[in-house]
Amino acid sequence: EPEVTQTPSHQVTQMGQEVILRCVPISNHLYFYWYRQILGQKVEFLVSFYNNEISEKSEIFDDQFSVERPDGSNFTLKIRSTKLEDSAMYFCASSAGTLNYGYTFGSGTRLTVV
Amino acid sequence: AQSVTQLGSHVSVSEGALVLLRCNYSSSVPPYLFWYVQYPNQGLQLLLKYTSAATLVKGINGFEAEFKKSETSFHLTKPSAHMSDAAEYFCAVTGYNNNDMRFGAGTRLTVKP
Repeated sequence: EPEVTQTPSHQVTQMGQEVILRCVPISNHLYFYWYRQILGQKVEFLVSFYNNEISEKSEIFDDQFSVERPDGSNFTLKIRSTKLEDSAMYFCASSAGTLNYGYTFGSGTRLTVV
Repeated sequence: AQSVTQLGSHVSVSEGALVLLRCNYSSSVPPYLFWYVQYPNQGLQLLLKYTSAATLVKGINGFEAEFKKSETSFHLTKPSAHMSDAAEYFCAVTGYNNNDMRFGAGTRLTVKP
């Protein structure tokens, strides 16, 4: 069964450093998403991406965050200057379309900011 | 905007007992509703989805959910709990454009032997 692949599975970074989280969505999917889950809390929507541009973003997704689909297969989330509160599990998801399609989630990248 | 509320952050049942995890939604448009399961240190796995076809939806691992518009509910059930069902369960909703799935706070299911 097709999978969404995320790398790395765990990343530790120092506060103030830039991090890039990588995702390879399912190949024929057109819609891409990033979510985060702070330890013990709910899964929160960050951003959706379609046709090479952001289609929706939440209030969490401020100027420190950016997304990119650099080469037609990868989908990345960049955090420019990490803060302690950015420590969370970050999930990438993709979807074949709108309406009645569910999302396929990756297994996540655990980001720890020290 | 759409949202879901999961009643009960923690549910504990005995093995073989009925599992009932509650989810109520709020949506200004006909919703699409989903249940996801998260096992420890893993990602989110789709259990089932409601997409305006049959109101009773059957999913994987013996779970099912019924969409009740009059109650704005989409509760998840399983007739007989198994130890392997212990996990975190998330209800989620999207609207027409499916662009921003919103999750509930999650319910942790514990299954006692």
